Amino acid sequence: DVKVTQSSRYLVKRTGEKVFLECVQDMDHENMFWYRQDPGLGLRLIYFSYDVKMKEKGDIPEGYSVSREKKERFSLILESASTNQTSMYLCASRPLDREGYTFGSGTRLTVV
Amino acid sequence: GNSVTQMEGPVTLSEEAFLTINCTYTATGYPSLFWYVQYPGEGLQLLLKATKADDKGSNKGFEATYRKETTSFHLEKGSVQVSDSAVYFCASGINQGAQKLVFGQGTRLTINP
Repeated sequence: DVKVTQSSRYLVKRTGEKVFLECVQDMDHENMFWYRQDPGLGLRLIYFSYDVKMKEKGDIPEGYSVSREKKERFSLILESASTNQTSMYLCASRPLDREGYTFGSGTRLTVV
Repeated sequence: GNSVTQMEGPVTLSEEAFLTINCTYTATGYPSLFWYVQYPGEGLQLLLKATKADDKGSNKGFEATYRKETTSFHLEKGSVQVSDSAVYFCASGINQGAQKLVFGQGTRLTINP
């Protein structure tokens, strides 16, 4: 069964900390995505990656960066966490020859 | 730009009731359309999809038809169960490049026994 694994289900971090959210997929998918989910706003795209070492900004990239050094891993980095980054973060992947994403279970991040 | 609008929730129904969750989209070009479901504490799962006008996606008793003339993709089920309680997201995406998906705000559905 295909899997997208996010390393943490729950995280609590302090304001100003550098935070790493990790996502690994075992399906050899080219495309990977980071979304954040907030009540009433649905899912908003932060960053995505076409392939290894390739990345593009989504709709809300401010305050975030990403890294994709290997095909299976796509990391989201909060350079200096702030309370308005408290949210549910969802990672997804997709192969080039099929439509629709496979999602991870999400990481609920609280910044205090 | 592309956008998706869903009916606002929450929606509460009794078991065996008929369900409709409305979804409309705006897009440049011809997007593929999706419904995702999120059960409590989990990520999103693809429920069904349609890739061109008049296509009907179906899965687990749910259906949605791609209506180009009304730019809609409404989700329906004839008889809901308690286990259908979840949050439902409509999404659209152009199948070019990475196919970035644009999601609606989600509709929380609760089914009472």
